[in-house]
Amino acid sequence: QVHLVQSGPEVKKPGASVKVSCKASGDSFTDFTIHWVRQAPGQRPEWMGWINLGSGNTKYSDNFQARLTLTRDTSAGTAYMDLSGLRSEDTGIYFCAKEVASMRWDWFDPWGPGTLVTVSA
Amino acid sequence: DVQMTQSPTSLSASVGDRVTITCRASQSISNFVNWYQQKPGKAPNLLIYAALNPRDGVPSRFRGAGSGTDFTLTINSLQPEDLATYYCQLSASAPYTFGQGTKIEIK
Repeated sequence: QVHLVQSGPEVKKPGASVKVSCKASGDSFTDFTIHWVRQAPGQRPEWMGWINLGSGNTKYSDNFQARLTLTRDTSAGTAYMDLSGLRSEDTGIYFCAKEVASMRWDWFDPWGPGTLVTVSA
Repeated sequence: DVQMTQSPTSLSASVGDRVTITCRASQSISNFVNWYQQKPGKAPNLLIYAALNPRDGVPSRFRGAGSGTDFTLTINSLQPEDLATYYCQLSASAPYTFGQGTKIEIK
């Protein structure tokens, strides 16, 4: 059973970058895909992108393509989300989640606890 | 992109009530829908995958149904611990769009 632990809250100024980590434990780190999801205050979750921890392959949402970089460190069992050019609208909770896939279907389970990122001058 | 529209956006019900949430996709998506429960201050948790399959450990009062464009999540006999916001999600296809959520309050 995989358990995801995320880094702590961040406060950033507009224009800065933020890097959030997601450490997986309890399973072979190379065997799955991690998704990143943002949830602004009072809003629905918004998918940002995914990274395959074995191959390092990534896919980004068009909404974040220009500013988002997903990486992983297999030796540390950790995935990273780096978002640049921060603006106030990027304030929210950032979740990592493990993809579970079966044939053509997939779902996110489990999720990390989330990391609050606040962007404020 | 496929849009996912939930209704209602909020509801208030009593313990023991049967509650149904609807999620409508802007085009046919077969059964590529998941449902999540998000309790206040917590991460979402998977309830139902592939439209009607409950995650292991999910109470049997939670039932998913539907295919094509119309999907439902039904909670039979609402319990106090079901206070949460529920989201549908398009699965197996980026951008994995979520519905706007249905917040359930207990009367």
